[in-house]
Amino acid sequence: DIQMTQSPSSLSASVGDRVTITCRASQGISNYLAWYQQKPRKVPKLLIYAASTLQSGVPSRFSGSGSGTDFTLTISSLQPEDVATYYCQKYNSAPLTFGGGTKVEIK
Amino acid sequence: QVQLQESGPGLVKPSETLSLTCAVSGYSISSGYYWGWIRQPPGKGLEWIGSIYHSGSTYYNPSLKSRVTISVDTSKNQFSLKLSSVTAADTAVYYCARGDGFHIWGQGTMVTVSS
Repeated sequence: DIQMTQSPSSLSASVGDRVTITCRASQGISNYLAWYQQKPRKVPKLLIYAASTLQSGVPSRFSGSGSGTDFTLTISSLQPEDVATYYCQKYNSAPLTFGGGTKVEIK
Repeated sequence: QVQLQESGPGLVKPSETLSLTCAVSGYSISSGYYWGWIRQPPGKGLEWIGSIYHSGSTYYNPSLKSRVTISVDTSKNQFSLKLSSVTAADTAVYYCARGDGFHIWGQGTMVTVSS
């Protein structure tokens, strides 16, 4: 089975900083990659699908890139409301594996 | 708009079977999409349990496959999860969701396995 590895597992950044989270697949998954945001005690929310397509209603400061095995989620200017844990997930084929998550905090 | 709502017992005894239902409103399950179950143990990450296509084809997490059954009832517009022989490790918030990139989620239901 394909493993999904996120890094870092946590980060602390200042408001306005550019933040980058990486997700690596152990085998190629084309662009079948989604990113989710989960705020504390809330339901996960889809941010990006097909590696780089922004879900409707998601602020444009979020962007995704990558294909094959290496993917990134970028927050261009970190805002206080972006404090959350971010997960990647592959969906090219079963099993639909999630990454371990990246917890983003404000410095 | 499309809404999903999980329901089922919040407490299950060890060795018994966990049963949850996801009621779908605003969309007919038989019209398409994958419908999935995801869980999240307290303080931990997300784990995909399995999914069912509107046609009835099922796909399960290999680590849970021997204990999981997902089914769909198009007449009630709902799909269900059964997880057998539960242990404390199955204590989690259980979510149902639509899609394979999961773009619509239920609110989640906490299930505790304890005697």
